[in-house]
Amino acid sequence: GENVEQHPSTLSVQEGDSAVIKCTYSDSASNYFPWYKQELGKGPQLIIDIRSNVGEKKDQRIAVTLNKTAKHFSLHITETQPEDSAVYFCAARGTSYGKLTFGQGTILTVHP
Amino acid sequence: SAVISQKPSRDICQRGTSLTIQCQVDSQVTMMFWYRQQPGQSLTLIATANQGSEATYESGFVIDKFPISRPNLTFSTLTVSNMSPEDSSIYLCSVIQDRGYEQYFGPGTRLTVT
Repeated sequence: GENVEQHPSTLSVQEGDSAVIKCTYSDSASNYFPWYKQELGKGPQLIIDIRSNVGEKKDQRIAVTLNKTAKHFSLHITETQPEDSAVYFCAARGTSYGKLTFGQGTILTVHP
Repeated sequence: SAVISQKPSRDICQRGTSLTIQCQVDSQVTMMFWYRQQPGQSLTLIATANQGSEATYESGFVIDKFPISRPNLTFSTLTVSNMSPEDSSIYLCSVIQDRGYEQYFGPGTRLTVT
């Protein structure tokens, strides 16, 4: 089955800096890669996603890149703000529709 | 995106009892799923809730322990049966809307078993 590795497990940055979280996946058939932000006491919130036919996608301060050959994808947050502090999860979905395999999560802390 | 609500939001239950969690979506959705998030951990798919038929369970999850119903396109329930402390987790409902790729999650039900 699919396996998703996520790094780093914790990330601490100063407000205004950029943050990068990286994930690798094992199943070359995976074709959908979402990123979720989970704040304390809440469910995961979809913040951005990318499909396998696209190399990069951007939404304001957030961007995701995908390298299918290397089987890795990354989340980039620019101009970080304290409200970006949360746990971020990457995920991959292949031919089993609806089955997302999640990474282990990254605790992002943005210091004012 | 679909608005997903879950009831209860949290509960504390005694060992050996059962709890039924409800998931309600504000629009008809093609697919509904139940995930589990153990304390401090990532998310794991329990099963796909199929409308009008038995749910499809992932390896390691069985119907006797986690019976699921989906009577229509907007509602599903997950029961956690004969609970033990190891069942203490967040249980999350997730949906994919018609012809969509995006997968959304509800707010979760935080279960503590004592």
